Amino acid sequence: ETGVTQTPRHLVMGMTNKKSLKCEQHLGHNAMYWYKQSAKKPLELMFVYNFKEQTENNSVPSRFSPECPNSSHLFLHLHTLQPEDSALYLCASSIPGITDTQYFGPGTRLTVL
Amino acid sequence: DAKTTQPNSMESNEEEPVHLPCNHSTISGTDYIHWYRQLPSQGPEYVIHGLTSNVNNRMASLAIAEDRKSSTLILHRATLRDAAVYYCILRGVNQGGKLIFGQGTELSVKP
Repeated sequence: ETGVTQTPRHLVMGMTNKKSLKCEQHLGHNAMYWYKQSAKKPLELMFVYNFKEQTENNSVPSRFSPECPNSSHLFLHLHTLQPEDSALYLCASSIPGITDTQYFGPGTRLTVL
Repeated sequence: DAKTTQPNSMESNEEEPVHLPCNHSTISGTDYIHWYRQLPSQGPEYVIHGLTSNVNNRMASLAIAEDRKSSTLILHRATLRDAAVYYCILRGVNQGGKLIFGQGTELSVKP
């Protein structure tokens, strides 16, 4: 247990569906991250939030919409996804800084049909 | 951005030491060397980090070359649970403190 939880753990959705991924951390951190891990590819950073403000959007398509209502919660809203968006979506949190440890959740395995 | 180079895969025997190499010849003076690992079906987890001096913690040791162009993660006694993908990552102000993952080294441990 890392103190970062993600729900759901598995999600199957059609291309016309709208769904949301949820991440929650109980570590008192102020930075939260979304990463995407496709099969046989390195983790790709998608979004970064510091103190609830988005500080990084790594050229992510608008069909992925993040939301950070407070420092403990992070959402990723999904709509009109493509099959190539099928991947493991990982959330992480940290205290902002270049030596801070990032703590990762177990991920949500997303399949888009 | 400074890049790292790691072997794609390595094998080890259980209860033997493992040395995982990482080359980072373009490292800048302010880049920290971080290691994370990802066990099967889990998110990555922090292992260790260092700047110039060798570092030890309960999980592993990090040996950093004097010129900082390479480093080695040392698992002193591999267990089956250490089978994972190990990522060597440079982290500094030029990357805004971000973790930029490469392909990593897939370590398998044989009983």
